[in-house]
Amino acid sequence: GESVGLHLPTLSVQEGDNSIINCAYSNSASDYFIWYKQESGKGPQFIIDIRSNMDKRQGQRVTVLLNKTVKHLSLQIAATQPGDSAVYFCAENTGGFKTIFGAGTRLFVKA
Amino acid sequence: DTGVSQNPRHKITKRGQNVTFRCDPISEHNRLYWYRQTLGQGPEFLTYFQNEAQLEKSRLLSDRFSAERPKGSFSTLEIQRTEQGDSAMYLCASSLQSRGSGANYGYTFGSGTRLTVV
Repeated sequence: GESVGLHLPTLSVQEGDNSIINCAYSNSASDYFIWYKQESGKGPQFIIDIRSNMDKRQGQRVTVLLNKTVKHLSLQIAATQPGDSAVYFCAENTGGFKTIFGAGTRLFVKA
Repeated sequence: DTGVSQNPRHKITKRGQNVTFRCDPISEHNRLYWYRQTLGQGPEFLTYFQNEAQLEKSRLLSDRFSAERPKGSFSTLEIQRTEQGDSAMYLCASSLQSRGSGANYGYTFGSGTRLTVV
């Protein structure tokens, strides 16, 4: 069946360093991928998305990379800040219908 | 518009009681989704609506669960005869479904309703 998973459950980085959060997906038919950030007590917040016809997309301090050959997705956060501490979910969508979420990676930013 | 609003934020109920949650999506969004999230896990899909039509229901949505979106605006999720296993965060999200290669399928989530069944 469909599954979206993550390589690491937790990631600890020093403030100012770059963070890389990885994700593997299994549904080769998925054509749209999203990264969400969830802070304690809040719902997930959309960060950045990428379509399957792209391999890289940049936002403000964030970059998403998609490798369809190995079904791998990553989120890069530049100059990580304390406010970036949260749980990050990758999610996949097929044809604009429901979105399937992975289990999440908790990012800790050390001052 | 202040985003997606969910009420109540917290609900504690005794096992066997019925509960109802409400979600008010972003007004121009035509799609509304319900997800359930347990501690340490990602959100699990329950159901979604396009306007007032319920288009898909997850196998997780047993016959004790029912969702409605009567006028294509707000939605309610009811759980009948609650069980301890129903304890979770219930998240609502909305999106504006558009077509074409530039379509954005990202959701706007509410803050959720945390249900505790004792």
